Amino acid sequence: GQQLNQSPQSMFIQEGEDVSMNCTSSSIFNTWLWYKQDPGEGPVLLIALYKAGELTSNGRLTAQFGITRKDSFLNISASIPSDVGIYFCAGTSSNTGKLIFGQGTTLQVKP
Amino acid sequence: DTAVSQTPKYLVTQMGNDKSIKCEQNLGHDTMYWYKQDSKKFLKIMFSYNNKELIINETVPNRFSPKSPDKAHLNLHINSLELGDSAVYFCASSQDTSGRETQYFGPGTRLLVL
Repeated sequence: GQQLNQSPQSMFIQEGEDVSMNCTSSSIFNTWLWYKQDPGEGPVLLIALYKAGELTSNGRLTAQFGITRKDSFLNISASIPSDVGIYFCAGTSSNTGKLIFGQGTTLQVKP
Repeated sequence: DTAVSQTPKYLVTQMGNDKSIKCEQNLGHDTMYWYKQDSKKFLKIMFSYNNKELIINETVPNRFSPKSPDKAHLNLHINSLELGDSAVYFCASSQDTSGRETQYFGPGTRLLVL
């Protein structure tokens, strides 16, 4: 079935560093979403993108919907310990209309 | 108030048993979903219901039977549980099926089959 390739799989960084992760697809997506999952909880939406080229910020988080509609990235600036968790990209396929999740990026932040 | 709630949070059971997981949303959404998250944290949709009607039914064994008594509830019944059913099951809801509406997730049910 359709898949999103999310990278990197995991990151271990120092507090204060900036972080970047991305997702790519072989097919076109209508929406791109970025979720964060804290340990023992369900995913929570961070940023939603609806238009090719759209660049949206939410505090220290910035995400972009790629021009080709086949990719998206998420940046976190000046990371803090509470940024720890698993970040998922998700996209709505233009073919099926279904929401598909990437494999997740596990972020660990060293104080 | 919890927007999407699931019960139980933890479920430990023997192989071959039948169990149910319940989900309720108080957001007034029309669409509800069940996802399975495996040990590698991969999230995959299982079912979606819109206004009590089945919309998406992925390739899931027919031992899994969702039931939606009303649009605020979507329960998942699993017959003859197998070891491979061990996972975290998430319920979610969204305003509609357009794919442009945010999905809100519940806290998950951690199922362990022994």
